[in-house]
Amino acid sequence: EIVMTQSPATLSVSPGERATLSCRASQSVGSNLAWYQQKPGQAPRLLIYGALTRATGIPARFSGSGSGTEFTLTISSLQSEDFAVYYCQQYNNWPPPNTFGQGTKLEIK
Amino acid sequence: EVQLVESGGGLVQPGGSLRLSCAASGFTFSSYEMNWVRQAPGKGLEWVSYISSGGSTIYYGDSVKGRFTISRDNAKNSLYLQMNSLRAEDTAVYYCARDPYGGNSPFDYWGQGTLVTVSS
Repeated sequence: EIVMTQSPATLSVSPGERATLSCRASQSVGSNLAWYQQKPGQAPRLLIYGALTRATGIPARFSGSGSGTEFTLTISSLQSEDFAVYYCQQYNNWPPPNTFGQGTKLEIK
Repeated sequence: EVQLVESGGGLVQPGGSLRLSCAASGFTFSSYEMNWVRQAPGKGLEWVSYISSGGSTIYYGDSVKGRFTISRDNAKNSLYLQMNSLRAEDTAVYYCARDPYGGNSPFDYWGQGTLVTVSS
C-alpha cells in the first residue's frame, strides 16, 4: 500500500499571504494525485486532480505542482473561506486502495 | 445538479449490523463507478470500498474485508453498504463518492455523510 505523508500537520498563515502544503508518496504515483478541501461538518471537496488541474469552479489562487513522489498545493492569497483541512490522495494504484494523506490543517494566524 | 444523499447511519452495538444507502440524482448513475469512504471522529479519510458501474467488480479495504458488502441498484439510482460484525473502530462518518473516470481517478462528488456509531 502506498503511504501518503502530508506536512506540516498544522499551518498558520495570515489572510492575504501565501500557503504552501506538501504531500509525499512512499513510491511514485506519477501525476495521479488529488487535493481535497474539507471544512468542519462538510464533505471533502475536490480541488486539484492530475497533480495540477483545478476541478470545476475552483478559484485560480489554488495551484498544484509536482510528480512522482513530491507534490505541493499552493494557495496564493489566502481568503477567509480557505481556512480548512486539506488532504492529498493518490489514485495511481489499481486495484484500490486509493490512499489519503493524514491532512494539513490550515489555520488563521 | 449532482447530488448524493446518504442515509441509514445510527447507533449500533458491537457485533451488530447496519445498512447504509446513498441516493444519487442529477447524473446517469448507471454510468459511474462509486465508492464508500469513511472518516473516524477527528481523523482523516479512509477508502472503504469500490463498485464498478455495472456492479461486477468490487474491492474492499483490508479493515472491512469479509464484514462489509457493497452493492448497487441502478434502476433505483442507489448505492448500498451492508455492514456486519461491527466494531468500535468502525465508528465514523461514511461518505459515498463518485468516481468520474472509472478506476484510477479522484472522487469528484461526495455526499454529506452519515454517522455510524458502534458502542454498547
